[in-house]
Amino acid sequence: DTGVSQDPRHKITKRGQNVTFRCDPISEHNRLYWYRQTLGQGPEFLTYFQNEAQLEKSRLLSDRFSAERPKGSFSTLEIQRTEQGDSAMYLCASSFGTNTNSEQYFGPGTRLTVT
Amino acid sequence: AQSVTQLGSHVSVSEGALVLLRCNYSSSVPPYLFWYVQYPNQGLQLLLKYTSAATLVKGINGFEAEFKKSETSFHLTKPSAHMSDAAEYFCAVSDPWNNDMRFGAGTRLTVKP
Repeated sequence: DTGVSQDPRHKITKRGQNVTFRCDPISEHNRLYWYRQTLGQGPEFLTYFQNEAQLEKSRLLSDRFSAERPKGSFSTLEIQRTEQGDSAMYLCASSFGTNTNSEQYFGPGTRLTVT
Repeated sequence: AQSVTQLGSHVSVSEGALVLLRCNYSSSVPPYLFWYVQYPNQGLQLLLKYTSAATLVKGINGFEAEFKKSETSFHLTKPSAHMSDAAEYFCAVSDPWNNDMRFGAGTRLTVKP
């Protein structure tokens, strides 16, 4: 078990471009979460999946953001028409079970810089 | 809506001194409370959690936290700081009906030799 992995670790893009991030959770974990973290702040919840179903989305997740988990394993987060305000660390976490108090295991994050 | 407030964005202690990181929560239902630690270039790691059992919760690396409902607090303590404790610490809240865990802004702990 290598933990939660995220790819890429860093991404620099020009405003208006589309970017896609990938998250590979711990293999037996059925829940997968995406968070965004800006400098000096804690992680902010974006969305979560239970298996392949996206069950909740934050109002922070604008129409330019879309997330998928097609086979209940890895997940992708796409940002279309990036804006400078999208610059942040994007964190992925996974957990096992259906309780909201289950421990979430976090990946190292993808740092996005929009120029 | 749930929220947590971490008092003090930076805390500095001497090695061997008591560590006290403050967290106050707001929740309309009985909360679940968590402390996570983030080392540079690493993912967040769970230190401990409160889920309505014992109010004094012991975690990894010698940390513990006490749930005080009357004070709506969940402060993190460690009797004796070690250099390796230097990191960013986040308090978080959720409850049985909400999957969007809410994090505080974090407290950066510095340990002086």
